[in-house]
Amino acid sequence: IVLTQSPGTLSLSPGERATLSCRASQSVSSTFLTWYQQKPGQAPRLLIYGAASRATGIPDRFSGSGSGTEFTLTISRLEPDDYAVYYCQQYGGLLWTFGQGTKVEIK
Amino acid sequence: EVQLLDSGGGLVQPGGSLRLSCTASGFTFSGDAMSWVRQAPGKGLEWVSTISGRGGSTQYADSVKGRFTISRDNSKSTLYLQMSSLRSEDAAVYYCAKLHLPDGYFDEWGQGTLVTVSS
Repeated sequence: IVLTQSPGTLSLSPGERATLSCRASQSVSSTFLTWYQQKPGQAPRLLIYGAASRATGIPDRFSGSGSGTEFTLTISRLEPDDYAVYYCQQYGGLLWTFGQGTKVEIK
Repeated sequence: EVQLLDSGGGLVQPGGSLRLSCTASGFTFSGDAMSWVRQAPGKGLEWVSTISGRGGSTQYADSVKGRFTISRDNSKSTLYLQMSSLRSEDAAVYYCAKLHLPDGYFDEWGQGTLVTVSS
């Protein structure tokens, strides 16, 4: 299953809403759709699992939604700490695949 | 607190071998499947390999199948990745990651270790 994220780069100002898309080439169970955040020089951090459940310590301005082949990560109001690259990931058939990432940069 | 400490990276010539290690603490290591995920410079994340908690089951990405071997020593809480026949395209930061099953997501990550393949 190929995951395609869009846009490649999102330029937004602090306080704005960010909407990131992850499209799958085949239907993915919501249970197996995950989002990660990665900052420069750091390991990825688990953000959202099961398409919509926030990981421990993740602020509620982050939310995930979607089903089938279309999934969305929304950051309601961007804070300076949120500028990073975001990856979606799916699990199926004992294989794991990642999207190519969306970079959220300061406008 | 869960900690994963990656080590073993370095410079290796094309065709050479290298063994990566990941030392775990803060959880019952033998109870969790573990994986390696890599990231080439300036690129995205690529899953490499996964091993079950007891080590009896392994999976590999097609790009490394037959060249890389994942293993673990539960008595030492350590995960390994033996890499051989290395190619330039294997150059990356390699992260070990704790796998949450059955949902298939990586809930803890090591800090990564850099592998450079060059003559």
